[in-house]
Amino acid sequence: GAVVSQHPSWVICKSGTSVKIECRSLDFQATTMFWYRQFPKQSLMLMATSNEGSKATYEQGVEKDKFLINHASLTLSTLTVTSAHPEDSSFYICSVAGGRETQYFGPGTRLLVL
Amino acid sequence: GDSVTQMEGPVTLSEEAFLTINCTYTATGYPSLFWYVQYPGEGLQLLLKATKADDKGSNKGFEATYRKETTSFHLEKGSVQVSDSAVYFCALSDRPDSWGKLQFGAGTQVVVTP
Repeated sequence: GAVVSQHPSWVICKSGTSVKIECRSLDFQATTMFWYRQFPKQSLMLMATSNEGSKATYEQGVEKDKFLINHASLTLSTLTVTSAHPEDSSFYICSVAGGRETQYFGPGTRLLVL
Repeated sequence: GDSVTQMEGPVTLSEEAFLTINCTYTATGYPSLFWYVQYPGEGLQLLLKATKADDKGSNKGFEATYRKETTSFHLEKGSVQVSDSAVYFCALSDRPDSWGKLQFGAGTQVVVTP
């Protein structure tokens, strides 16, 4: 399967700042990527689907101006949390669509907003 | 809407014990069902899947059978090892013609002691 990395693995920032999280597909052309958010002891919640070269499709209730997704190449998608606040603290996970109903997941990025 | 419910953890077992993790789902259509595993510090990996009723998915000694009549997809392993310690996620996809949009359960942590 594909190898997916995320950077950084964890980040602490002050309230009001923006944070960018990178998701890289190291050995697979990622036409479609997904971004998830996971709260402690809760399931992964899909935030958005991004397709290379086009705008992301956001799930209901996810603020697209808050969570900016850029998927400009077949190996990189970025999630920017703009004007982060403590309630944005969470574990963010990306995945790469690898085929019919197959996804390859990154290790996740833990964000803590103070 | 679609949902997945799995038993809460942590589940603590001794090596060579029998493992069962219950998973039930609700879906409007005929979903595909998955078990993903997340080892410490790593991304989620597909463990096994089943795409239609009565299918049995199996991998690494784990098995799960798609039971439409009970809307269940319980994960079982006859003899666990310490290396099976991980978090296990049950998931469904009700759109097999798309690239995923997985609906996850909350995850069940399994701890296997020597």
